[in-house]
Amino acid sequence: AQSVTQLGSHVSVSEGALVLLRCNYSSSVPPYLFWYVQYPNQGLQLLLKYTTGATLVKGINGFEAEYKKSEPSFHLTKPSAHMSDAAEYFCAVSVRGNQFYFGTGTSLTVIP
Amino acid sequence: DTGVSQNPRHKITKRGQNVTFRCDPISEHNRLYWYRQTLGQGPEFLTYFQNEAQLEKSRLLSDRFSAERPKGSFSTLEIQRTEQGDSAMYLCASSLASSGELQETQYFGPGTRLLVL
Repeated sequence: AQSVTQLGSHVSVSEGALVLLRCNYSSSVPPYLFWYVQYPNQGLQLLLKYTTGATLVKGINGFEAEYKKSEPSFHLTKPSAHMSDAAEYFCAVSVRGNQFYFGTGTSLTVIP
Repeated sequence: DTGVSQNPRHKITKRGQNVTFRCDPISEHNRLYWYRQTLGQGPEFLTYFQNEAQLEKSRLLSDRFSAERPKGSFSTLEIQRTEQGDSAMYLCASSLASSGELQETQYFGPGTRLLVL
């Protein structure tokens, strides 16, 4: 069975500070991993994904995530937070190429 | 590319009524997915289509729920005899599945927010 745990339903950072959103998962087979962002009243937008190869994945808007099989985790980071990063972030895992399992989300607040 | 569109964006109905939502995927996409998202939760998979064939359904999809994609383009999700517990955001996503890509990207629509009174 697959599951996704996002630690911290709410994260606040100061503008310009490091953003770290945590995602741990369990999977019986090697997974595909994703981070999506959701702005108010909008659909989910893909930030980045890991399928195979390099474990450090770079996405849009300066975000990146590292796949660590040993933990297992897929934490999302950004070196310097911007006000426009305030949104809900979802980690997701897929093991059969179609069905996605999402975490409960982390709401990111950026303090000016 | 106009993206995935969903209609209506909001629906308020009384318990026991039937409702139908529509999803128009990105035109060349062959896969279409339905998810349900309740407050404070991530999206939960309901069902998906490859072209017009419904290939998988979640246990969350009770017999009051039915989805169709008759011509392999737009899809409808119908809920019969709605219950208050059906209140949620219903999200649609589409993707282009090809043999050369390990995991296709799912593109999401803005969702339909359902409130059952």
